[in-house]
Amino acid sequence: NAGVTQTPKFRVLKTGQSMTLLCAQDMNHEYMYWYRQDPGMGLRLIHYSVGEGTTAKGEVPDGYNVSRLKKQNFLLGLESAAPSQTSVYFCASNVQGEVSQPQHFGDGTRLSIL
Amino acid sequence: GQSLEQPSEVTAVEGAIVQINCTYQTSGFYGLSWYQQHDGGAPTFLSYNALDGLEETGRFSSFLSRSDSYGYLLLQELQMKDSASYFCAVRSSASKIIFGSGTRLSIRP
Repeated sequence: NAGVTQTPKFRVLKTGQSMTLLCAQDMNHEYMYWYRQDPGMGLRLIHYSVGEGTTAKGEVPDGYNVSRLKKQNFLLGLESAAPSQTSVYFCASNVQGEVSQPQHFGDGTRLSIL
Repeated sequence: GQSLEQPSEVTAVEGAIVQINCTYQTSGFYGLSWYQQHDGGAPTFLSYNALDGLEETGRFSSFLSRSDSYGYLLLQELQMKDSASYFCAVRSSASKIIFGSGTRLSIRP
């Protein structure tokens, strides 16, 4: 009964370091999303995927890359971390991408960049 | 472009009724959803409206007027556990789901 699992839950990085956030879902969902959430800014879409092997840009894609090599996994990469990328990152998935189908969210990754 | 507007904060009294409004501007419209998020937690789905009118789910109801590009979430018999942030969300012209900036609901005893 895992749903959407994000790894890691917390991380502190230095400016310029790279890292990858992992999102795994066990619901056989086609659509997966990465959001960032900053105080007062709500959820902003970074990248999304409509199926294995596909990715697309969201509202704020700069500084991030993603990959969807397997249907169940969606990876978010920061090649050279910047303090402006300090945020809480949420992964979500749903069946078809229709708003009628609820998005299932992971518990988030809290990322601080010094 | 796509945009959603909702109040940043709302305060209400335990046991009362509160309404959280959302206005949207999108090139295409496929329905309006509402999510709840407690501090430190993940957003969870509350409701969805595709057609005009009121949808009721227990103490929560959601309303949509497509002609006004407007919707609201109505919370009745407020409980302290309802203190949270509430987000409206719409599907944009692509396969993206865009969220509003959220309304923080504070409930006083």
